[in-house]
Amino acid sequence: GESVGLHLPTLSVQEGDNSIINCAYSNSASDYFIWYKQESGKGPQFIIDIRSNMDKRQGQRVTVLLNKTVKHLSLQIAATQPGDSAVYFCAETPRSQGNLIFGKGTKLSVKP
Amino acid sequence: GAGVSQSPSNKVTEKGKDVELRCDPISGHTALYWYRQSLGQGLEFLIYFQGNSAPDKSGLPSDRFSAERTGGSVSTLTIQRTQQEDSAVYLCASSLSPGTGDEQFFGPGTRLTVL
Repeated sequence: GESVGLHLPTLSVQEGDNSIINCAYSNSASDYFIWYKQESGKGPQFIIDIRSNMDKRQGQRVTVLLNKTVKHLSLQIAATQPGDSAVYFCAETPRSQGNLIFGKGTKLSVKP
Repeated sequence: GAGVSQSPSNKVTEKGKDVELRCDPISGHTALYWYRQSLGQGLEFLIYFQGNSAPDKSGLPSDRFSAERTGGSVSTLTIQRTQQEDSAVYLCASSLSPGTGDEQFFGPGTRLTVL
């Protein structure tokens, strides 16, 4: 389940299940969105991106969905594996900017 | 190397001292970014350099923070008169060109601890 408080929201799933990580973005002018995975002690690693003219994009085992009406982004991971355990961040960038605006992150914990 | 590198990996300093953090971007990448990540938090944008243009410093939290990028390659982030609230992981990223649509590649970060 999920827990929200002073700590990162945490999602615990069983190995082999599908995971869905959600993110609400803030800027209606944002036109490019990215999901990053960060393992302990490492920098963020690109997973998948999507532009605002799309509402769905698929990669290998991952799918990103974009709902611009409610400014919501989600990351779906199929057949979750222990190696997927990490903190996942969504990021957005408005057209006029180069820097990314990051969400607070969700910790995914995969139980074997 | 093929990726973004940062040094040192860890830095412990005393309150009031100055520190310099280094970033070597991927060769050929014209855009370079600095972010800060406090414990258990997301990344906070600090500054970014795009080619020969003036850097975007809008994310720097105070005038104690400054950054340079020499020769369009290596960048140094300097924090003067460090405070305990500066303790964080400082991450550098680079991308092929500035603007949306170009993947930002991150380095491993420098963990700064101010005692």
